[in-house]
Amino acid sequence: DIVMTQSPDSLAVSLGERATINCKSSQSVLYSSNNKNYLAWYQQKPGQPPKLLIYWASTRESGVPDRFSGSGSGTDFTLTISSLQAEDVAVYYCQQYYSTPSVYGFGPGTKLEIK
Amino acid sequence: EVQLVQSGAQVKKPGESLKISCKGSGYSFTNYWIAWVRQMPGKGLEWMGIMYPADSDIRYSPSFQGQVTISADKSISTAYLQWSSLRASDTAMYYCARQPGGGGFYFGGVDVWGQGTMVTVSS
Repeated sequence: DIVMTQSPDSLAVSLGERATINCKSSQSVLYSSNNKNYLAWYQQKPGQPPKLLIYWASTRESGVPDRFSGSGSGTDFTLTISSLQAEDVAVYYCQQYYSTPSVYGFGPGTKLEIK
Repeated sequence: EVQLVQSGAQVKKPGESLKISCKGSGYSFTNYWIAWVRQMPGKGLEWMGIMYPADSDIRYSPSFQGQVTISADKSISTAYLQWSSLRASDTAMYYCARQPGGGGFYFGGVDVWGQGTMVTVSS
């Protein structure tokens, strides 16, 4: 099983400042035949289902503001919010889809709050 | 509009059986994976399993293998998650979700989610 971990567990950032969330997989999720990283990021607000933000590690889903960006390759990835807005308060999860996910296919989540 | 609409909240007793549903619309139901994800109260997301309706390829997370059954009825674009004997520890929100893919592979993140079905198991 590929196990996903995230850091930090929680994060408080001032409005307008940068927020950075890290995700690490226990083995590479880079598929050599197409050079794509099978890694996605999701945002979940209270009482709502998750929302896809980023896939292929760095491709923004349609309609997602460009202040959200993803980077990284292999086993280490980062979600960056360039200028935090109040509506970005949420829990953020990474997920690998390189192999059929186990219960550990999602990271444990990072709770983002306003400082 | 592409959407997944799940069946309503359920309150059950330990030992009872349950089948919840997820109806897809606005897209070709058979050509996308349908995943089931559990979220226990105040906790994170747990991948339970995934199915490709076109060929009935079903893959379970080892933690849920034998505990639940995933199925689908292509004729009505509906996926199902069922339990034969519920436990109190099954109390959770259950989401179905769509993932692009085919040929045994996944082609991107989970891009459409159902609204969730809350299952409460209590004596």
